[in-house]
Amino acid sequence: DAGVIQSPRHEVTEMGQEVTLRCKPISGHDYLFWYRQTMMRGLELLIYFNNNVPIDDSGMPEDRFSAKMPNASFSTLKIQPSEPRDSAVYFCASSGTGTVDNEQFFGPGTRLTVL
Amino acid sequence: GQQLNQSPQSMFIQEGEDVSMNCTSSSIFNTWLWYKQDPGEGPVLLIALYKAGELTSNGRLTAQFGITRKDSFLNISASIPSDVGIYFCAGDFSNFGNEKLTFGTGTRLTIIP
Repeated sequence: DAGVIQSPRHEVTEMGQEVTLRCKPISGHDYLFWYRQTMMRGLELLIYFNNNVPIDDSGMPEDRFSAKMPNASFSTLKIQPSEPRDSAVYFCASSGTGTVDNEQFFGPGTRLTVL
Repeated sequence: GQQLNQSPQSMFIQEGEDVSMNCTSSSIFNTWLWYKQDPGEGPVLLIALYKAGELTSNGRLTAQFGITRKDSFLNISASIPSDVGIYFCAGDFSNFGNEKLTFGTGTRLTIIP
């Protein structure tokens, strides 16, 4: 398996623009997680899905952030409008149900810079 | 959100030395996980622990699930340059380490030439 795939790897945008981050989880995994990592706050869980349904979005910072999972192999995290304080590395992770090799595995991340 | 207390925050060691780090929590977890993050990459799972008292090894790495279920330890023996990075512990209330994780603040390991 190719692991969790994220795109783009780097995104530079101007304040006020819409940003869309994409994630393809590991095939067969039914949990998908979006995290944000900054020096100040470390690794924060934003939202997670189970079987494409959002389970906990309590970490989403504000209404400018939204996430969707239209099918088992794709998810998006959207920021509209973006602000400089949204600059961070955003990780997607996926996990499965069961006892073997179903722990959370992370993608390589998207480094977002908002100018 | 909640984070686990991980110590030390950073370590500067010489190649060949052994390393120990730990993680404590006020909550009881059913699963403990240890991840390593290299610069520019996502965290990579090193070891998963499922039972209180469990001791698990992965090569030169050994991790233990504390008997109180509120702590975990990671040891690295005979460190090598590729061990450099940030190590994170994570706790999970589920039994499989596949649901919502609470992460530690990280231990940055640097090897002095």
